[in-house]
Amino acid sequence: AQKITQTQPGMFVQEKEAVTLDCTYDTSDQSYGLFWYKQPSSGEMIFLIYQGSYDEQNATEGRYSLNFQKARKSANLVISASQLGDSAMYFCAMRGWRGYNKLIFGAGTRLAVHP
Amino acid sequence: GAGVSQTPSNKVTEKGKYVELRCDPISGHTALYWYRQSLGQGPEFLIYFQGTGAADDSGLPNDRFFAVRPEGSVSTLKIQRTERGDSAVYLCASSFQGDITDTQYFGPGTRLTVL
Repeated sequence: AQKITQTQPGMFVQEKEAVTLDCTYDTSDQSYGLFWYKQPSSGEMIFLIYQGSYDEQNATEGRYSLNFQKARKSANLVISASQLGDSAMYFCAMRGWRGYNKLIFGAGTRLAVHP
Repeated sequence: GAGVSQTPSNKVTEKGKYVELRCDPISGHTALYWYRQSLGQGPEFLIYFQGTGAADDSGLPNDRFFAVRPEGSVSTLKIQRTERGDSAVYLCASSFQGDITDTQYFGPGTRLTVL
């Protein structure tokens, strides 16, 4: 079975500092994709970044980067230069080769950015 | 272009009533997904459409839940004999093709409250 674990229910960070949100996953698939989404209080899930299991380099999208450690089955999200607007819930999700059509989500981490 | 839209944004109903939730995907996206998000949890997969057909309905909790996508675009999630436990945010997502690397883009959700 596929599973995503996010062990940090809540995180605090000072504005302009970097923060790492943890995500570990479990799958027996060789081919899979890892995703991070942001969910502000408005409720919409906003796609941030994607990492494929065969990608050799860590994915980056602007201030977001994904620290992919395949052997450890971790896919941590790093947000650099935090902004007040980054305050939200963050969900890690995966999609395996079997059951590829569905995303499996973690429980999420609530990030609060302080001025 | 326009994102995924969902109507209504909020729905309050009484136990035992029938409800319909609508999803309008991004134009040109052949894959459409429904998820359910309970308070404090990550979204859980309900059903996946490729075109007009339900390719995977393994996440539907019971036969009170049904979804259609008759013309391969707009989808309707139908819940019969609603129960208080059905209260949640129902999220719709769409993607271009539905393969493993596809990014799913989410709508704002419909918050269903069953009294």
